[in-house]
Amino acid sequence: AQTVTQSQPEMSVQEAETVTLSCTYDTSESNYYLFWYKQPPSRQMILVIRQEAYKQQNATENRFSVNFQKAAKSFSLKISDSQLGDTAMYFCAFMKDRNTPLVFGKGTRLSVIA
Amino acid sequence: NAGVTQTPKFQVLKTGQSMTLQCAQDMNHEYMSWYRQDPGMGLRLIHYSVGAGITDQGEVPNGYNVSRSTTEDFPLRLLSAAPSQTSVYFCASSYGAGGLETQYFGPGTRLLVL
Repeated sequence: AQTVTQSQPEMSVQEAETVTLSCTYDTSESNYYLFWYKQPPSRQMILVIRQEAYKQQNATENRFSVNFQKAAKSFSLKISDSQLGDTAMYFCAFMKDRNTPLVFGKGTRLSVIA
Repeated sequence: NAGVTQTPKFQVLKTGQSMTLQCAQDMNHEYMSWYRQDPGMGLRLIHYSVGAGITDQGEVPNGYNVSRSTTEDFPLRLLSAAPSQTSVYFCASSYGAGGLETQYFGPGTRLLVL
C-alpha cells in the first residue's frame, strides 16, 4: 500500500519570503501522480499543483513549484513570494492511476506572517 | 455549474441515530469519493465509486454505507452513529478514466455525534 509522509506538522514564513514544504511517499509503482492541495480556514480543498511521475520536468504554477525527485520518492512544494492568503493546511497526495483514490499525507499547517 | 455540493453543512446526532450525508455534482464526473478529516490524521478515504452502480471500500469503511444509483449523486449513510464518527466529511469527484485532472471537493459536512 502506498503511504505519504509530511514530516513538518507546522511551519511559518515571513510575507514575501520563500518556504518549502516536504513530502515523501512510498510506492512500488513506476507511473503515478502526485498532488499538493491547499485547505484554507474555509475548509475547501483546492488543488495547488500536480505532477505526473513519467514527466521529468518539475511542475510550476505561478508562485508554486515542486521539486520532484523520483528516485528519492520526494515531492516538495516551494512557495515563492509568500502571501498572507497562503496561510492554510497543505496536503500532499498520491494517486496510482486515474481510477484509484487519492492517498493523503497528514498535512502541514503553514502560517504566513506579516 | 454548482460543482460539488454537500448537505447539510453541520449536523449533531445522538449515538445510535442514523443519517445520510448528501453529495451531488453537476460536472458529469464518473469518479466520486468520500473522505473524513480528523485532526492530525489528514484525509482518509471511506468509500469511492468509479461510476453509477459501482462502489468500493476505502481505508475506513466500517459504519458507513454508500450507493451510486446516478452519476450525479453519491450519498453516505451512517447506520448507527458513534462518537468516533465525529469528523468533517468531504465528498470529491473527478473525470476518472476520462482524464487525470483535478479532484473537485465539496465544502464539507461537520458532524458531531454525542
